[in-house]
Amino acid sequence: DTGVSQDPRHKITKRGQNVTFRCDPISEHNRLYWYRQTLGQGPEFLTYFQNEAQLEKSRLLSDRFSAERPKGSFSTLEIQRTEQGDSAMYLCASSLGQGINQPQHFGDGTRLSIL
Amino acid sequence: GQNIDQPTEMTATEGAIVQINCTYQTSGFNGLFWYQQHAGEAPTFLSYNVLDGLEEKGRFSSFLSRSKGYSYLLLKELQMKDSASYLCAVPHPSGGSYIPTFGRGTSLIVHP
Repeated sequence: DTGVSQDPRHKITKRGQNVTFRCDPISEHNRLYWYRQTLGQGPEFLTYFQNEAQLEKSRLLSDRFSAERPKGSFSTLEIQRTEQGDSAMYLCASSLGQGINQPQHFGDGTRLSIL
Repeated sequence: GQNIDQPTEMTATEGAIVQINCTYQTSGFNGLFWYQQHAGEAPTFLSYNVLDGLEEKGRFSSFLSRSKGYSYLLLKELQMKDSASYLCAVPHPSGGSYIPTFGRGTSLIVHP
């Protein structure tokens, strides 16, 4: 169990640019989640995959945001035409199975800063 | 939907006991999670409660009262390394799974 890994750890870019983040979940975990977290707040749910299927997207996820999990393993989150309000920590988490009590295992996140 | 309320910040002394409260409103209850998050790091799972009562795990215990929509995390024999944010989360059903909605977290500062 190598844990959930996210890449890059930090991303600084100019407003209007596109960015893409990657998440590698724990290998046997079939569920993968993306969250956004700003300073002093808890993680806000963005989207969720079961295997390769994207089953839910938050209203927070505007049409500039897209996520994929093409082979049911790693996932990417792309933000197009970034805005200053997109500056945040983007967290990925994975979990196993369908039980309510399955805890999520989080990666260390990608910190995005928009200049 | 879910509405989760936690205090923003608490301070305590090394060696003491601290209780971090969480109140929630939800249309259907499916348990409650507590996570710990050190600054700049990932949240890590502490506990899950679905039945009323206190569950103890070493220095950390978690309590739930479903009728009151209330939970607390009890930390005993506080250590400096316990300084962190403590997140309360309530799952809601979606797409055949349950997706936790997080509170804003309580920042705990432990001082000597």
